[in-house]
Amino acid sequence: EAQVTQNPRYLITVTGKKLTVTCSQNMNHEYMSWYRQDPGLGLRQIYYSMNVEVTDKGDVPEGYKVSRKEKRNFPLILESPSPNQTSLYFCASSSPQYHTDTQYFGPGTRLTVL
Amino acid sequence: GESVGLHLPTLSVQEGDNSIINCAYSNSASDYFIWYKQESGKGPQFIIDIRSNMDKRQGQRVTVLLNKTVKHLSLQIAATQPGDSAVYFCAEGLGGYSTLTFGKGTMLLVSP
Repeated sequence: EAQVTQNPRYLITVTGKKLTVTCSQNMNHEYMSWYRQDPGLGLRQIYYSMNVEVTDKGDVPEGYKVSRKEKRNFPLILESPSPNQTSLYFCASSSPQYHTDTQYFGPGTRLTVL
Repeated sequence: GESVGLHLPTLSVQEGDNSIINCAYSNSASDYFIWYKQESGKGPQFIIDIRSNMDKRQGQRVTVLLNKTVKHLSLQIAATQPGDSAVYFCAEGLGGYSTLTFGKGTMLLVSP
């Protein structure tokens, strides 16, 4: 089954404790992206990657890092989480070779930083 | 946890009615538009898309209309069902490796 998976689905942590949210897709998509979703603000892009070893900042990159060492994986790293990073996070992937920008989303990771 | 549906405009309809959800997009250069549906506790799910060289596209029970003159997009859902209750987002982008820009969403509530 074609899908985007994220882990963990739920995480409660404390300020300053480094964490990683993993994202993996099995559709051989080149493009992957991370969003955060907050009430009243909608989906905002954090980082995106056009292919392996190619990453770029989205609209709200501060406090986040990403890496793209393999095509299928795109982890999101919070080196020193803060309470304002409490949010719902989505990973997405797509492939322009199919002449579409449709992004396929993972199920989400709800992060709470205390 | 707090729902992403808070603070959103809401459309309430009866089961069987037709629903129309509207979206104003921001970039006149955008050439690709998508509607997503997001149910509570899930990620956004693709519904239908349309390119800027079209002004209407139909799917199963859904129709998207594009008016480039006024930068307006709408999603029509025929014979709305309780299972259609969700938040609906429009997104706009440019062809190729585009980054999509999402609207804030509209919550659709369908009463039996």
